[in-house]
Amino acid sequence: GAGVSQSPSNKVTEKGKDVELRCDPISGHTALYWYRQRLGQGLEFLIYFQGNSAPDKSGLPSDRFSAERTGESVSTLTIQRTQQEDSAVYLCASSLTVNTGELFFGEGSRLTVL
Amino acid sequence: GQQLNQSPQSMFIQEGEDVSMNCTSSSIFNTWLWYKQDPGEGPVLLIALYKAGELTSNGRLTAQFGITRKDSFLNISASIPSDVGIYFCAGQRGTYKYIFGTGTRLKVLA
Repeated sequence: GAGVSQSPSNKVTEKGKDVELRCDPISGHTALYWYRQRLGQGLEFLIYFQGNSAPDKSGLPSDRFSAERTGESVSTLTIQRTQQEDSAVYLCASSLTVNTGELFFGEGSRLTVL
Repeated sequence: GQQLNQSPQSMFIQEGEDVSMNCTSSSIFNTWLWYKQDPGEGPVLLIALYKAGELTSNGRLTAQFGITRKDSFLNISASIPSDVGIYFCAGQRGTYKYIFGTGTRLKVLA
């Protein structure tokens, strides 16, 4: 597509429920990144994919967080048993390759855990 | 997570004034990126810098890749109300690691 697309744009859920956030990168971009942005804060690295592989998962906050990517395209970030501390905007970005140097972001998925 | 030191944290300026902000790190970076984020939206890339000492302009914006490779500067000339937002720097180290600054919140008074 023309840009990075994320869905849902807003998600309100109850504590303990699972949520899935989706990212559609720019067509042809092999690298895909997930970041978390808490209210008024900067961007916190979660995970990145090169193709369908995730060489670095070190930023995932806990084992309740997981992500996958299929077909070198769409990625899904899953948060199980959500907690209130998970409330944040989850931003996805893509780049042509990991060496390209330019990240392009989607508009984010705002997650609110009640 | 790890973040770059970005300053100032926030600033109020009068329309027409020039603005300067910077990012510093104790580590060397290969690439510096500058982004602007409007409320409720994702960051939008403004300028990318790839070489130490490089000076790049994009309209009223000018950014420089510090000669030590540990810092970068962004200048906005003749600010206008639509410049309001949060500006982030990002440094790339290694093949994929992008570290983001803590952000500079800019407010322009008409």
